[in-house]
Formats: sequence, structure tokens, C-alpha cells
Amino acid sequence: KQEVTQIPAALSVPEGENLVLNCSFTDSAIYNLQWFRQDPGKGLTSLLLIQSSQREQTSGRLNASLDKSSGRSTLYIAASQPGDSATYLCAVNPSGTYKYIFGTGTRLKVLA
Amino acid sequence: NAGVTQTPKFRVLKTGQSMTLLCAQDMNHEYMYWYRQDPGMGLRLIHYSVGEGTTAKGEVPDGYNVSRLKKQNFLLGLESAAPSQTSVYFCASSYRETATQYFGPGTRLTVL
Repeated sequence: KQEVTQIPAALSVPEGENLVLNCSFTDSAIYNLQWFRQDPGKGLTSLLLIQSSQREQTSGRLNASLDKSSGRSTLYIAASQPGDSATYLCAVNPSGTYKYIFGTGTRLKVLA
Repeated sequence: NAGVTQTPKFRVLKTGQSMTLLCAQDMNHEYMYWYRQDPGMGLRLIHYSVGEGTTAKGEVPDGYNVSRLKKQNFLLGLESAAPSQTSVYFCASSYRETATQYFGPGTRLTVL
């Protein structure tokens, strides 16, 4: 059974710091992996989607990497800003299924 | 272009009451999903649909029913609400099973 884990559960950093969020999954048979952002009381917004054949994806200050064989993904945020404060979730799409399996998220707080 | 909308935003029910949550999308997506989000448990898939007139069970389908009579709408029903169904419910849609999922703003349901 696919399980997705995100560590740490919460993280506080000063503004301007570069940071890495981690996501691990137990079964490497996946179609893709997505990173989402969730603001308090809001829905999820997709940040990056990495196909299983890709190693990384970039969007602005965000870079997501995927190492399928080791069951790991990282989300790198450069030059963090207070507006980046949110919960970040990763989700994997297991091969042969129509669904995504979500991690429980990392709650990020960027201090001004 | 409203994306994914959910009705209602908040609801309080008494045990045993019934209700229907409505999800609507204007992106002509084939795939639609209902999730529930509970503290410490991440998002869990309740039911999903791969096209108009189709529905399928997810991870936690007990106590819920769904219908997809029109491509743009996906309804989630609770026939006899229980306190364990207190949660935040999210609807999502995608144009295919391995594509980015677009989420609605959520419905916060409390069952007393």
C-alpha cells in the first residue's frame, strides 16, 4: 500500500532563507508526483507536477525534484518570503490508478 | 472562468440528518473527485468519477453516496450524518487521471 510521508510537520525560517521540504513515498511505481500549497481555510493550489520520467520541474523560485528509485521528492524554495507561509502537501499518483495519495503536509512559516 | 466551486461553504447538521454537497466545474474536465481532510490524516479520497454517469469508490466511501448526472457537476450525499463525518470536504477535477488536479475552496461540515 502506497504511503506518503512529509517531514518535518512544521518549519519556521527567517525571511530570505533558502529551504527544502521533503516528501517520501513507499512504492516507486508512480505516474507522477504533485506539490500543492494550501492557505488556511482555503483549497489546494497545484504548484508543480513532475512526471515519473522527469527528474525536476521549476516554476519561479520553486524547484521540485524526484528520485523515484529512492522514493523521495524535495521542494526547494529560494529566497523565502512571508507570503510563502502556508502548508505544502505532496501527492503521488500510483501507476494503474485514478487517484492521488496525499501526505499530511509541512506547515511553513516565514518570519519577516 | 470560475474553476471549481463548492456549495455550501459551511454547514452544521444534527446526527441522522441528510444533506448534499454540490461541486461544479467549468473546465470541461472528465475526472472529478471528493476528498475529506482531517487533522493529522491528510486528504483521503471518498469517491471519484471518470466521466458523466460514472462513479467509483475511493479509500473511505462508507456513509457517502455520489452522482454525476452532468459532466460539470459531482454531488456528494450523506444519507444519515454521523459525528465521524465532521470534516472539511474538498472537490477536485482534472482533464485526465494523471493531470493536475484543480481544487474547490472546500465545505466545512460539523455534525453534532
